[in-house]
Amino acid sequence: GDSVTQMEGPVTLSEEAFLTINCTYTATGYPSLFWYVQYPGEGLQLLLKATKADDKGSNKGFEATYRKETTSFHLEKGSVQVSDSAVYFCALILSGGYNKLIFGAGTRLAVHP
Amino acid sequence: DAGITQSPRYKITETGRQVTLMCHQTWSHSYMFWYRQDLGHGLRLIYYSAAADITDKGEVPDGYVVSRSKTENFPLTLESATRSQTSVYFCASMEVRDNQNAEAFFGQGTRLTVV
Repeated sequence: GDSVTQMEGPVTLSEEAFLTINCTYTATGYPSLFWYVQYPGEGLQLLLKATKADDKGSNKGFEATYRKETTSFHLEKGSVQVSDSAVYFCALILSGGYNKLIFGAGTRLAVHP
Repeated sequence: DAGITQSPRYKITETGRQVTLMCHQTWSHSYMFWYRQDLGHGLRLIYYSAAADITDKGEVPDGYVVSRSKTENFPLTLESATRSQTSVYFCASMEVRDNQNAEAFFGQGTRLTVV
């Protein structure tokens, strides 16, 4: 079935380190792809999105490129901050008919000074 | 205030009792979703709705019932609560334009404990 797979966490980095969180998907059809972030004690909020192949979503220094050939949407940031500590979720929407929003398991990021 | 709100924020109930979690959104979004969040499982879709009176099962619907008589409300009912339903529950709403461009907005969550 349709699914999203993320790298397991936690990911622990020092401030200003480079971040990559891997995400791959399986979908029938042509999904839109998203990264959501959840800060402690809060609900999820959209970080960035891409709706077609080779699109690059970006926000707050984070980037992800929709790679149809590898069915991937890896999240990257060149220099993380302590305030980036959160849980990151990769997600997809299967377009057409019922727009079901499916999430990966989430990856916890901890950034230390 | 515009937004999506869940109630209650915290709930403790006993095994076997019926519990209803409420979700209300003010944007008139067509789509609404219920997820549960458990350690090691991320967010799992329980039920979703494409419009009023249209609902469908997600990954883990057993033990839950939903209804959507009005666009803005999407209550989730646990008919007979079990300890395995102890979790944090998130409601979300979304509008889809052009069959592609979409953003889901989440409530603050309801932490449910079944004892």
